[in-house]
Amino acid sequence: SQQGEEDPQALSIQEGENATMNCSYKTSINNLQWYRQNSGRGLVHLILIRSNEREKHSGRLRVTLDTSKKSSSLLITASRAADTASYFCATDAREYGNKLVFGAGTILRVKS
Amino acid sequence: GAGVSQSPSNKVTEKGKDVELRCDPISGHTALYWYRQSLGQGLEFLIYFQGNSAPDKSGLPSDRFSAERTGGSVSTLTIQRTQQEDSAVYLCASSLGSVMIKGYGNQPQHFGDGTRLSIL
Repeated sequence: SQQGEEDPQALSIQEGENATMNCSYKTSINNLQWYRQNSGRGLVHLILIRSNEREKHSGRLRVTLDTSKKSSSLLITASRAADTASYFCATDAREYGNKLVFGAGTILRVKS
Repeated sequence: GAGVSQSPSNKVTEKGKDVELRCDPISGHTALYWYRQSLGQGLEFLIYFQGNSAPDKSGLPSDRFSAERTGGSVSTLTIQRTQQEDSAVYLCASSLGSVMIKGYGNQPQHFGDGTRLSIL
């Protein structure tokens, strides 16, 4: 897998359901961030989680980090049509020059 | 302005022409980044500016690409002799400080809405 690879590539759910997106990476990281991108717009920062943290919450968002499995998940609870967007994880790792490396994203569609 | 501003929002040009893309970061943000996003893909790092330090140009795909940042604020990305494979969305982001310093990846990046570049 690439550094920062999201799964699934696309997800379609009904409004009110929960959405879970996963991110896997290859090397040890300093931090991991999740971003959202609405069609035709720039990316919006959602949550940053440090390598020594296991879980963070922000409103309806919950991010977990498992450094032993080199993976993270983003859970959106009680989804809304407005949550329809692409979601990207981005890792900051020494092996990649401490640059933020973005995955290809998960396209989430929430049907009302 | 309150956010990162990019112009133009759309640019269509003929192959072989030069283009200039502009980014106006959030006031007070010392770090500025350019990325390229091809259709349905993630972001490809191009170049990074941090204060008065020499820019990190390691992501520029060829010598046809260059960027400058004047006065530590506005940045211009220039693509010379454009090719069809240059067609993409070019995104600019800024942050308070650098994510390039080890252990300092705790800086959320604030993005503009990008310039959609189409080479005919």
